Amino acid sequence: GAVVSQHPSRVICKSGTSVKIECRSLDFQATTMFWYRQFPKKSLMLMATSNEGSKATYEQGVEKDKFLINHASLTLSTLTVTSAHPEDSSFYICSAGTSGRVYQETQYFGPGTRLLVL
Amino acid sequence: AQKITQTQPGMFVQEKEAVTLDCTYDTSDPSYGLFWYKQPSSGEMIFLIYQGSYDQQNATEGRYSLNFQKARKSANLVISASQLGDSAMYFCAIPSQGGSEKLVFGKGTKLTVNP
Repeated sequence: GAVVSQHPSRVICKSGTSVKIECRSLDFQATTMFWYRQFPKKSLMLMATSNEGSKATYEQGVEKDKFLINHASLTLSTLTVTSAHPEDSSFYICSAGTSGRVYQETQYFGPGTRLLVL
Repeated sequence: AQKITQTQPGMFVQEKEAVTLDCTYDTSDPSYGLFWYKQPSSGEMIFLIYQGSYDQQNATEGRYSLNFQKARKSANLVISASQLGDSAMYFCAIPSQGGSEKLVFGKGTKLTVNP
């Protein structure tokens, strides 16, 4: 099946710094990528939908200026957590969509990035 | 809006036995799909099985099968012959309204397989 990578897998940073997380589709082109956030023992919550070449669509309650998303190519989307604070500590997962086929396995998930803000 | 309900926070099963994980959903879309994902402690989301609302038969994929009851809006996952490696979180999901690729997840069920 299709492979999605995320980098880094873990990151620890100081409060106030910015952290960039990369999501890459390795063997297919993803016109749409999704960014999820997951707190410990909780479900995945969609943060935003990233479309190649256009602005991301954020879910209600997600701060656009806090979580900057760039989808510069058909294989790469980045999430930048700006001025990170301890409450931003979480598990961030991306997925890449194979658009046009909604009623099949349409999303391939990356392995996730654990962010710890001290 | 789409909604997924997983009422079992945790389930236990003996190795080699079968287990059913419950999932009910709410949608106004006339056509939709249901997904099940497995999330081990390492964190990655592993796609298990998909059921289309108009599929004539219940989906099966190896040891995984779906007990899809459309009228009751339930799509329970059945894992047969449980293995120790099946211990993980299991999430049921449905596309967001309108056939979007966005997925709405349930709260998950933590399955523990005992030797």
